[in-house]
Amino acid sequence: QKEVEQDPGPLSVPEGAIVSLNCTYSNSAFQYFMWYRQYSRKGPELLMYTYSSGNKEDGRFTAQVDKSSKYISLFIRDSQPSDSATYLCGPYAGNMLTFGGGTRLMVKP
Amino acid sequence: EAQVTQNPRYLITVTGKKLTVTCSQNMNHEYMSWYRQDPGLGLRQIYYSMNVEVTDKGDVPEGYKVSRKEKRNFPLILESPSPNQTSLYFCASSRGSAYGYTFGSGTRLTVV
Repeated sequence: QKEVEQDPGPLSVPEGAIVSLNCTYSNSAFQYFMWYRQYSRKGPELLMYTYSSGNKEDGRFTAQVDKSSKYISLFIRDSQPSDSATYLCGPYAGNMLTFGGGTRLMVKP
Repeated sequence: EAQVTQNPRYLITVTGKKLTVTCSQNMNHEYMSWYRQDPGLGLRQIYYSMNVEVTDKGDVPEGYKVSRKEKRNFPLILESPSPNQTSLYFCASSRGSAYGYTFGSGTRLTVV
């Protein structure tokens, strides 16, 4: 079993839709939880990070962590074609940032 | 501009020919790391460094070497590349655990 699991997609939605991206993990030692966005042929860029269980909002993006069930979510409101990318969840413990395989999102105009 | 710079961006080489991929950051970050990205396997950590002269293995260190002689540079060395090291490589740096990593643009390596 992988430490971090994500549905690879692709997830295709119309512009303006609410998108839910999810991630499960198995290691209870993970303390920080990060979401990265990766456009084609680019390096991942940090989108959001959170430390505790609960919600964290930043503009159209909301990160949600449930440590009891080891479940991480990223919600995107009013999705735009520019949101089309691969989204990677990255639980973090010590010096090890462990990535999920990523979910490819396509937002169609 | 704050960035992580990797070179080269693309490299095709032959089995057994030693190569080095350079990585440099201008943010005075203590933490640096190398990842490889493969379809279906995602990003996997090769090596990381917490500071100058301090390096440690990640998940997939076999066949790779690193060095950290200066804070800004963290080269990845393949002493004898093999075709299974064909991959997309990313260097990343961070100022600490809670801040996430800044990634370079990647190096696409093909070993034939």
